[in-house]
Amino acid sequence: DTEVTQTPKHLVMGMTNKKSLKCEQHMGHRAMYWYKQKAKKPPELMFVYSYEKLSINESVPSRFSPECPNSSLLNLHLHALQPEDSALYLCASSRGGGDTQYFGPGTRLTVL
Amino acid sequence: DQQVKQNSPSLSVQEGRISILNCDYTNSMFDYFLWYKKYPAEGPTFLISISSIKDKNEDGRFTVFLNKSAKHLSLHIVPSQPGDSAVYFCAASGPYSGNTPLVFGKGTRLSVIA
Repeated sequence: DTEVTQTPKHLVMGMTNKKSLKCEQHMGHRAMYWYKQKAKKPPELMFVYSYEKLSINESVPSRFSPECPNSSLLNLHLHALQPEDSALYLCASSRGGGDTQYFGPGTRLTVL
Repeated sequence: DQQVKQNSPSLSVQEGRISILNCDYTNSMFDYFLWYKKYPAEGPTFLISISSIKDKNEDGRFTVFLNKSAKHLSLHIVPSQPGDSAVYFCAASGPYSGNTPLVFGKGTRLSVIA
């Protein structure tokens, strides 16, 4: 089983809202990732968690706040987003190192 | 600086024929390469990978070839089917230690025509 689940599938929010994206995997993977993907572009890495600790933050604005409550769960808290933050947000997991990453279906976020 | 390049933004192939998607990389520290398939508004689906100790890996209709001296890899799909129509991303990582993130190419849109 190589399933990564993400909720919600779609999210529309105003610039003053606070919302959260959720990601879950039960493959025993120790590394989890958040990516952002705009149309016709490759996925762009935002954050990497390794053994529940933040190991990479690709200079993402503070209005995006990741959280890893346990080894199976990854959240992305959103606050005061801008319309240009509208994108497909992808979660992925892997065994760690440079191993294969498995992606979830994504959350389509629209910021009004 | 683009470390992983997919120079063909699109490719059209007749059903039943071979599809060849190409990828070049510049970072000699990359030692693991992957191909992902992506439909619109969905997450990328892992297809096949190859480590730098090999030059070929097969999985059903999909074969990936790696030419380390040329820093080039290719994905062959034989025979191509209409359901293969999607965007294909080449990705690379390495060295295989720490949490080296994947570096993606910009993708090639494959259209398989019935």
